[in-house]
Amino acid sequence: NAGVTQTPKFRVLKTGQSMTLLCAQDMNHEYMYWYRQDPGMGLRLIHYSVGEGTTAKGEVPDGYNVSRLKKQNFLLGLESAAPSQTSVYFCASSYFKGLRTEAFFGQGTRLTVV
Amino acid sequence: AQSVTQPDIHITVSEGASLELRCNYSYGATPYLFWYVQSPGQGLQLLLKYFSGDTLVQGIKGFEAEFKRSQSSFNLRKPSVHWSDAAEYFCAVGDISGTYKYIFGTGTRLKVLA
Repeated sequence: NAGVTQTPKFRVLKTGQSMTLLCAQDMNHEYMYWYRQDPGMGLRLIHYSVGEGTTAKGEVPDGYNVSRLKKQNFLLGLESAAPSQTSVYFCASSYFKGLRTEAFFGQGTRLTVV
Repeated sequence: AQSVTQPDIHITVSEGASLELRCNYSYGATPYLFWYVQSPGQGLQLLLKYFSGDTLVQGIKGFEAEFKRSQSSFNLRKPSVHWSDAAEYFCAVGDISGTYKYIFGTGTRLKVLA
């Protein structure tokens, strides 16, 4: 059981380049999330999805887009990367079902924009 | 708006000493509360969670947390810290009121002295 898998694990981009981060979960979770982690700022929610075909903005959505075309996948796109987007990105998926409620995290993607 | 505050950015304890990490939350109803741990270069792992009932919850690795509604707190404790507990710890609240988001604190980095 792989859980939550993020691809790639590391990436270096030049300013203005685009890329897509892929998150895949095999737990049949309805809810999926993209967070960024920066020193001293904890995890900040970028976008999230409450089901296939739905997406919603989190607290820091600017510069990012997402898609959830399949229930198991949640893609995070950077159309024109900026140095301020240098960060570690985490994907998570979750149930919200009583005692089973819990977020499961991927191992992270370390992105550097130069 | 929901929020989570972890007032201690860094904590240093000696191996074998007791530990308490503080967490305060702001939430309009009975919250779903979580503590996660992140080892360097890794994703987040769930330590324990609270939904209702007994206000003292036990987790993995010998950790426990106590929910105090009157103080809006959910502090994490361990009676005797091991060197392997050095990591970053995150408190989170799960919003079950409709958005199904997880809101994280900024984290507390624990250093353990031999």
